[in-house]
Amino acid sequence: GAVVSQHPSWVICKSGTSVKIECRSLDFQATTMFWYRQFPKQSLMLMATSNEGSKATYEQGVEKDKFLINHASLTLSTLTVTSAHPEDSSFYICSARGLAGRDTQYFGPGTRLTVL
Amino acid sequence: AQSVTQPDIHITVSEGASLELRCNYSYGATPYLFWYVQSPGQGLQLLLKYFSGDTLVQGIKGFEAEFKRSQSSFNLRKPSVHWSDAAEYFCAVFSGSARQLTFGSGTQLTVLP
Repeated sequence: GAVVSQHPSWVICKSGTSVKIECRSLDFQATTMFWYRQFPKQSLMLMATSNEGSKATYEQGVEKDKFLINHASLTLSTLTVTSAHPEDSSFYICSARGLAGRDTQYFGPGTRLTVL
Repeated sequence: AQSVTQPDIHITVSEGASLELRCNYSYGATPYLFWYVQSPGQGLQLLLKYFSGDTLVQGIKGFEAEFKRSQSSFNLRKPSVHWSDAAEYFCAVFSGSARQLTFGSGTQLTVLP
């Protein structure tokens, strides 16, 4: 099956710093990538959808200036958490979908962010 | 708007017993349905999917799911559970208009030895 990687798998940072998380589709071209946030014992919350070469579409309540998303190529999307604070600590998961509109979304292994 | 309901927050079964995880959806058109599994601290792995055709779909790890349009359900089953099946299971429906997945709240599966 299709493989999606995320890097780093975990990161600890100080409050006020910025953190970049990479999401790559390793063996397919992802026209659309999704970024989710997951709190403990909860389901996934969609943060934003990004199409290659376009600006990301953010879900209601998600600060686009805080969570910067770049989808510069068909295999790479990045999420940058700017000026991170402890409340941004969470599990971030990316997902990628191929060229066909209803194709399956494949998920990355997630990134655990802890802001001290 | 589409929605997915997983009525069971937590299910406990003994190893070797059969399993059924419930999923009900609300969607106006023909749904595209998915089951994903998530182990602790991991991303989601696709178990199986239904787009059209045979309403009984086979997935990986011995799982299967049956699409029942009349009941708006897509329940996941496994005839004999293994200890390694302990995880969180998510049902999801793909919305063509929104072009995104809508997830249920998940069902936590515990397997007793």
